[in-house]
Amino acid sequence: QKEVEQDPGPLSVPEGAIVSLNCTYSNSAFQYFMWYRQYSRKGPELLMYTYSSGNKEDGRFTAQVDKSSKYISLFIRDSQPSDSATYLCAMSAGNSGYSTLTFGKGTMLLVSP
Amino acid sequence: EAGVTQFPSHSVIEKGQTVTLRCDPISGHDNLYWYRRVMGKEIKFLLHFVKESKQDESGMPNNRFLAERTGGTYSTLKVQPAELEDSGVYFCASSHPGNYGYTFGSGTRLTVV
Repeated sequence: QKEVEQDPGPLSVPEGAIVSLNCTYSNSAFQYFMWYRQYSRKGPELLMYTYSSGNKEDGRFTAQVDKSSKYISLFIRDSQPSDSATYLCAMSAGNSGYSTLTFGKGTMLLVSP
Repeated sequence: EAGVTQFPSHSVIEKGQTVTLRCDPISGHDNLYWYRRVMGKEIKFLLHFVKESKQDESGMPNNRFLAERTGGTYSTLKVQPAELEDSGVYFCASSHPGNYGYTFGSGTRLTVV
């Protein structure tokens, strides 16, 4: 069983839709949960960061962590064509500033105008 | 603030040749990481420097890979001799202990033919 499972997509939605991206994981030691956005030919860019369980909101983005179910989500409201990218979930057992990250494969999102 | 710089952006070499990848982290970031994405797989950890010391090199695939970090500044990753399975995108990232998450470079796309 992989440590982090993420549906690779692609996920195609019309502009303005609400997008839900998800990952499941198996390692109970994970405490820090991140979402990265990666545009083509670029490196991953940190989008959201959550410690332990709960919700975090930043503009159109909401990250949710349910440690009891080992399930994390990223919601994008009012999706825009510029949101088209690959979204990677990542996790670490220690503070992610200096801990190894375990990534999912990434979900490709396509938002059509 | 300048980002993490990697070069070359692309490299095509023949099996058995040597390639050296370079990473310049964000100034002042003590933590430097190398990650790799092989086609169809997740981004995977290779190693972690704290300043000039190797903190964790558990992800290095074999002794054909050698990483160095001169004076705690830039880092190089040498592959010698390269094999076909070494093809992939090599990402460098850096962080400060107080940061959440890393800042990634755009990666070096290595193709071994």
